[in-house]
Amino acid sequence: SQTIHQWPATLVQPVGSPLSLECTVEGTSNPNLYWYRQAAGRGLQLLFYSVGIGQISSEVPQNLSASRPQDRQFILSSKKLLLSDSGFYLCAWSPGGEQYFGPGTRLTVT
Amino acid sequence: GESVGLHLPTLSVQEGDNSIINCAYSNSASDYFIWYKQESGKGPQFIIDIRSNMDKRQGQRVTVLLNKTVKHLSLQIAATQPGDSAVYFCAHTGYSTLTFGKGTMLLVSP
Repeated sequence: SQTIHQWPATLVQPVGSPLSLECTVEGTSNPNLYWYRQAAGRGLQLLFYSVGIGQISSEVPQNLSASRPQDRQFILSSKKLLLSDSGFYLCAWSPGGEQYFGPGTRLTVT
Repeated sequence: GESVGLHLPTLSVQEGDNSIINCAYSNSASDYFIWYKQESGKGPQFIIDIRSNMDKRQGQRVTVLLNKTVKHLSLQIAATQPGDSAVYFCAHTGYSTLTFGKGTMLLVSP
């Protein structure tokens, strides 16, 4: 069966510091991968998605970036965090159609 | 552009009642819909999906109804339990991405 992992589970970072969130998927190959952000009490905002290694599509211009160095690894990064980057970051994978989400990373920028 | 929205932000029911969560969409070309359940602090969990060639689909205690004429989707939960308390999102999938509604919080009181 397929599983999706995210780490860290929680993170507190100061404004201006770098960020690296990691997502890995097991039990499948060549999945579509997605990064979402969810503000408290709000819906899901798609940030990036990838249909293959090295292929990244950005949905929202911001100070975040994404990379897919391996087939089942998706990384969300920032060089300098802003207060507005705080939120719940979710990674998801898809075989095509439905998406399956990871447990999320709670990021607080102070 | 397309949009997927919900009629009610919060739904409060008594344990044992049936719950109905509604969703409207604007893109008549939408052909695949998904309902997700998100418990506090966790990633969304796939509940049930339906394709546009169907009007109804049933799962365990859940039923999804699709009315293409009025572009309306609903999730029915039978015999609602306290463990059903969560935020429910509808979503429409295009080729590679999902568009999520804002979510409805379901509160089940014993």
